[in-house]
Amino acid sequence: QQQVKQSPQSLIVQKGGISIINCAYENTAFDYFPWYQQFPGKGPALLIAIRPDVSEKKEGRFTISFNKSAKQFSLHIMDSQPGDSATYFCAASTKAAGNKLTFGGGTRVLVKP
Amino acid sequence: NAGVTQTPKFRILKIGQSMTLQCTQDMNHNYMYWYRQDPGMGLKLIYYSVGAGITDKGEVPNGYNVSRSTTEDFPLRLELAAPSQTSVYFCAAGTGGPTEAFFGQGTRLTVV
Repeated sequence: QQQVKQSPQSLIVQKGGISIINCAYENTAFDYFPWYQQFPGKGPALLIAIRPDVSEKKEGRFTISFNKSAKQFSLHIMDSQPGDSATYFCAASTKAAGNKLTFGGGTRVLVKP
Repeated sequence: NAGVTQTPKFRILKIGQSMTLQCTQDMNHNYMYWYRQDPGMGLKLIYYSVGAGITDKGEVPNGYNVSRSTTEDFPLRLELAAPSQTSVYFCAAGTGGPTEAFFGQGTRLTVV
């Protein structure tokens, strides 16, 4: 059973455009929602994260929007740059479960110059 | 600080062979995790450890074993390699709280 569903699988955006990636979760016990960025040949690295007591978090060009009632959260990349080309994973975890991350399937983002 | 270091980076195994994927961290984090990443898929948890001497199964533990004799090291053992274990394996370390988990660079394993 896939507990975190991510869409789209891939995304092509022009430089300067907005990239939007969506995730939906099932387990209402999740209390931490990070986004990881992965470049080819590298391990995932934390990009930004949110907890369910806030509806939005912004760090530079990256924003997480969180809708607790709909059990959905999304990543917005504003003013997308070629250097943002990577695979993005949403994830969720519960502190009660040792913060074991449950990952979405990933979105491959390509930013064209 | 090196963070999380995995060795080897690449390995080709024949069916039925065994090997150990090494993982070591220098951040003194209690929690360590092993994930596998199949092409086009997210990462799935194989095993995790909440501290030295304590390990537990994740979502996909079959065919693997782990040990945690020290805080720093968390090796993953494949006893009888099968083609289904062809994957990229990532080790991670964290505090166990709702904070960042730090990943190694991965081991790409091919079983033929």
